Amino acid sequence: GNSVTQMEGPVTLSEEAFLTINCTYTATGYPSLFWYVQYPGEGLQLLLKATKADDKGSNKGFEATYRKETTSFHLEKGSVQVSDSAVYFCALRTQGGSEKLVFGKGTKLTVNP
Amino acid sequence: NAGVTQTPKFQVLKTGQSMTLQCAQDMNHNSMYWYRQDPGMGLRLIYYSASEGTTDKGEVPNGYNVSRLNKREFSLRLESAAPSQTSVYFCASRVGSSYNEQFFGPGTRLTVL
Repeated sequence: GNSVTQMEGPVTLSEEAFLTINCTYTATGYPSLFWYVQYPGEGLQLLLKATKADDKGSNKGFEATYRKETTSFHLEKGSVQVSDSAVYFCALRTQGGSEKLVFGKGTKLTVNP
Repeated sequence: NAGVTQTPKFQVLKTGQSMTLQCAQDMNHNSMYWYRQDPGMGLRLIYYSASEGTTDKGEVPNGYNVSRLNKREFSLRLESAAPSQTSVYFCASRVGSSYNEQFFGPGTRLTVL
């Protein structure tokens, strides 16, 4: 079946540190891939997405590249800020018009000043 | 434009009580979803509605019922609440087949004693 595996958290960084959150997936065909972010006390917001192999999604300094050969979609940011503290979810939507998203378990990031 | 709204924000129930969680969207989206979020489990799909008048089971439908009242509203009902249903519930909506993004509401925190 379809699944998403994210690195276990929590992750704690100092401000301006480099961030990587690993995400790998299992799916048939060519899924669309997403990163969602959940700030404390709020719902999820789409952070970035990629719909085909080698696409790079980017937003707010975050980037992720759809790697078909390694079935990965790792999230990176060169210099994190305190305001980036949140829970990050990797997700996939399978090809063929499926209505459903499959989420990873989430990775909590805390950035200290 | 309020996006996706959910009521109530918080609720405490006793085992065996019933309640309905309300969700509404004002973005003219076709598809709507109910998820539950539990620590270490990510988001799991309970039910979804691809269009007005249709509903389908997700990953964890047992103990829940849904109603797609009209295009705007999608309610989730717990007929006889159990402590295992203590969770944070999120409603989401999506335009349809051309766009992949789901927009999430702020969530309802439910505790069943």
